[in-house]
Amino acid sequence: AIQMTQSPSSLSASVGDRVTITCRASQGIRNDLGWYQQKPGKAPKLLIYAASSLQSGVPSRFSGSGSGTDFTLTISSLQPEDFATYYCLQEYIYPRTFGPGTKVDIK
Amino acid sequence: QVQLQQWGAGLLKPSDTLSLTCAVYGGSFSGYYWSWIRQPPGKGLEWIGEITHSGSTDYNPSLKSRVSISVDTSKNQFSLKLSSVTAADTAVYYCARVVRMLGFLQWRTYGLDVWGQGTTVTVSS
Repeated sequence: AIQMTQSPSSLSASVGDRVTITCRASQGIRNDLGWYQQKPGKAPKLLIYAASSLQSGVPSRFSGSGSGTDFTLTISSLQPEDFATYYCLQEYIYPRTFGPGTKVDIK
Repeated sequence: QVQLQQWGAGLLKPSDTLSLTCAVYGGSFSGYYWSWIRQPPGKGLEWIGEITHSGSTDYNPSLKSRVSISVDTSKNQFSLKLSSVTAADTAVYYCARVVRMLGFLQWRTYGLDVWGQGTTVTVSS
């Protein structure tokens, strides 16, 4: 199975900050990667699909990039509602595998 | 607006079979794949498996001997069964819709775009 890693595992940031989260796959996955946001007690929410395509209804401050093994989720200006845990998911091969998550909290 | 509504027993004893169902309301059933994901308390997400509208499945090898996902197209529902549960299967279980599109020469997944509300399943004697 493809192993997904994320860095950092957690970060503290302030409203307005630019935040970058990295996801790395143990082998190439083209651009078959999604990013998900999860708030406590809630189901995950799709933010980005195909590595860089913004899901409908998601604010444009979220963006994704990357291909192959290295991917990035960027929040251009962190808002109060963005404090959450973010997961990447490889959708290239079965079994699908999630990254371990990156928790973004308030500095 | 598509909604996924899931239900099933929340408290099980070791060796029981977990059984959950997810119903799809307000959208197409046949045009998508359907998935189950779980999240143990305080931990990350784990992909359990996926089923097409015609019933073809893929499972996580770590659960493959115990898991079964089925579909009932007449009811727009799909179900999860996990046998011989232990405390390690205690988790919130989610159902989700899988977007599949024809890319360059092949079908590709474009995210899990709609999720159920989650069902907390506790395994305890």
